[in-house]
Amino acid sequence: AQSVSQHNHHVILSEAASLELGCNYSYGGTVNLFWYVQYPGQHLQLLLKYFSGDPLVKGIKGFEAEFIKSKFSFNLRKPSVQWSDTAEYFCASRRGQNFVFGPGTRLSVLP
Amino acid sequence: SQTIHQWPATLVQPVGSPLSLECTVEGTSNPNLYWYRQAAGRGLQLLFYSVGIGQISSEVPQNLSASRPQDRQFILSSKKLLLSDSGFYLCAWSVGTTNTEAFFGQGTRLTVV
Repeated sequence: AQSVSQHNHHVILSEAASLELGCNYSYGGTVNLFWYVQYPGQHLQLLLKYFSGDPLVKGIKGFEAEFIKSKFSFNLRKPSVQWSDTAEYFCASRRGQNFVFGPGTRLSVLP
Repeated sequence: SQTIHQWPATLVQPVGSPLSLECTVEGTSNPNLYWYRQAAGRGLQLLFYSVGIGQISSEVPQNLSASRPQDRQFILSSKKLLLSDSGFYLCAWSVGTTNTEAFFGQGTRLTVV
């Protein structure tokens, strides 16, 4: 069965620190990969997505992710986090109609 | 543009009472529709999805059911709520089978007392 794992449950960083959140997916065929963000009290929003092509994808708010097929990974990065990046981050994969989500990583950025 | 409406935003229901959560999508035809439950530390658990009117796939056996009476309407129901049904329920939609993302509603916080 398709599954998505995220390496970290809770990450605490100071402002201006660099961020990398790990994500691994299980399915070896063609996948669509996503990172969603949920800010406190808000609905899930798409940060970025990978369908094909350049494995380094740019998203909103300075986020990027790199698809590494050999490692089944799709890690999220940001060179310098801000307090406003405090949120929960979900990695997801799509196969057919199904979207499978990881357990989420809570990011707390200290001012 | 497409929008998704989910209501109510919050709901407090006694154990044993029925449940009906509604989700509607505007601005698209024949969407795939989803119900997820979000639990702290466990991410989003897919409960049901539907690729067309009257077509429901259940991912997890439970006390809940789903129906799709119209193309852009998806309803989550229960005949008798359990305490364990408390949680945050999210409706989502997508199109096709690949190369598009899912779009989420605002969610319903259900508390069973």
